[in-house]
Amino acid sequence: SAVISQKPSRDICQRGTSLTIQCQVDSQVTMMFWYRQQPGQSLTLIATANQGSEATYESGFVIDKFPISRPNLTFSTLTVSNMSPEDSSIYLCSAQTGINEKLFFGSGTQLSVL
Amino acid sequence: AQSVTQPDIHITVSEGASLELRCNYSYGATPYLFWYVQSPGQGLQLLLKYFSGDTLVQGIKGFEAEFKRSQSSFNLRKPSVHWSDAAEYFCAVGLNDYKLSFGAGTTVTVRA
Repeated sequence: SAVISQKPSRDICQRGTSLTIQCQVDSQVTMMFWYRQQPGQSLTLIATANQGSEATYESGFVIDKFPISRPNLTFSTLTVSNMSPEDSSIYLCSAQTGINEKLFFGSGTQLSVL
Repeated sequence: AQSVTQPDIHITVSEGASLELRCNYSYGATPYLFWYVQSPGQGLQLLLKYFSGDTLVQGIKGFEAEFKRSQSSFNLRKPSVHWSDAAEYFCAVGLNDYKLSFGAGTTVTVRA
């Protein structure tokens, strides 16, 4: 299993600023992902965080807006850049310990942009 | 395109009563199917998943789900609900474990 810690758990930010969310896993994992959960909506995969290389983004998400780092097998960050109120969401980090292993989720970061 | 529908936005059940949450999907092939639960302030936790084989899947916390190919459904059930089952439940489908499409979720309220 894997325990995922995310921080901050919540933040209120001003329009035009950026926020970096950190995700720490208590064990080495093969894959890490970032999801977004907009108010009243389901989760959407933003990107796969690749260790040592650029993240793989899903349709509708770009690196300039959501830069992602993954320097090692236990840590990743997601930055929400140049924020607008439309970015107000819960951002969830998730990890998978191996192929066909189950997906673990962090408790999320609730972001409100004013 | 794939889609997941959870028709019930909110369900209220009495403690001890049975619970069934509906999930329908639209997919090009038989996908992997999942149910996740999200308790307040917690991350999502996997309740159960179906890849192949027996269409009745047992999960954690006394939950089970049945895959019905003819109906493109994967409904979640629990025979007797506990107050701690109050949470939001998400059905998800995907071609693998992680690139999932999630339903909009069903909020379950348990009354004493």
